[in-house]
Amino acid sequence: EVQIVESGGGLGQPGGSLRLSCAASGFFVNTNYMNWVRQAPGKGLEWVSVLYSVGTTYYADSVKGRFTISRDNSKNTLYLQMDGLRAEDTAVYYCARRFCNTRTCSDALDIWGQGTMVTVSS
Amino acid sequence: SYVLTQSPSVAVAPGQTARISCGGKNIGRKVVHWYQQRPGQAPVLVVNDDSDRPSGIPERFSGSNSEDTATLTISRVEVGDEADYYCQVWDTTSDSYVFGTGTKVTVL
Repeated sequence: EVQIVESGGGLGQPGGSLRLSCAASGFFVNTNYMNWVRQAPGKGLEWVSVLYSVGTTYYADSVKGRFTISRDNSKNTLYLQMDGLRAEDTAVYYCARRFCNTRTCSDALDIWGQGTMVTVSS
Repeated sequence: SYVLTQSPSVAVAPGQTARISCGGKNIGRKVVHWYQQRPGQAPVLVVNDDSDRPSGIPERFSGSNSEDTATLTISRVEVGDEADYYCQVWDTTSDSYVFGTGTKVTVL
């Protein structure tokens, strides 16, 4: 079964760090484009970062220079290292895979995890 | 950066048709995807590439995209369709995903 499970959320201090994990099963993170998307309480979806299969990374302006996306192929796991945490980083963080069918791939996100909550507060 | 604007809410009676709009400058030149998010759950892709449906999504969900507006249409609305809906594109100018502001669909 194709599945994503996020972990690592919790309470972080302003200026502190947290590392989120996204464990994949049923597919390989290193052959897919993998994303992090977040949702602040009561708010809409906000894209955070993407890691391409070839290693290219992109970040939202709101996290650039503070967050780092990476993967461990041996563990089939995607990570989000969050440094310099701010109160506005408080959100549910989702890991999501780019959609591909037998014919082609697009920029849609078809497989999502259940999310992990990050709260930044002193 | 690119902005996608959605109306905050849409109310529709069961069996009727709901139309959810997503406005963006020349959005017709971009590829639009739509997500359904029920309360407390992760988003679910319901339409990809303007008008395609992923496996398992009912034919009641359809999409279109032209000029400055993309539209998600839900035909024969059911109580289970009550959710928030988001449009999304990839913006090549900023190399970023952009989500719309979201529309809450209420089934009367």
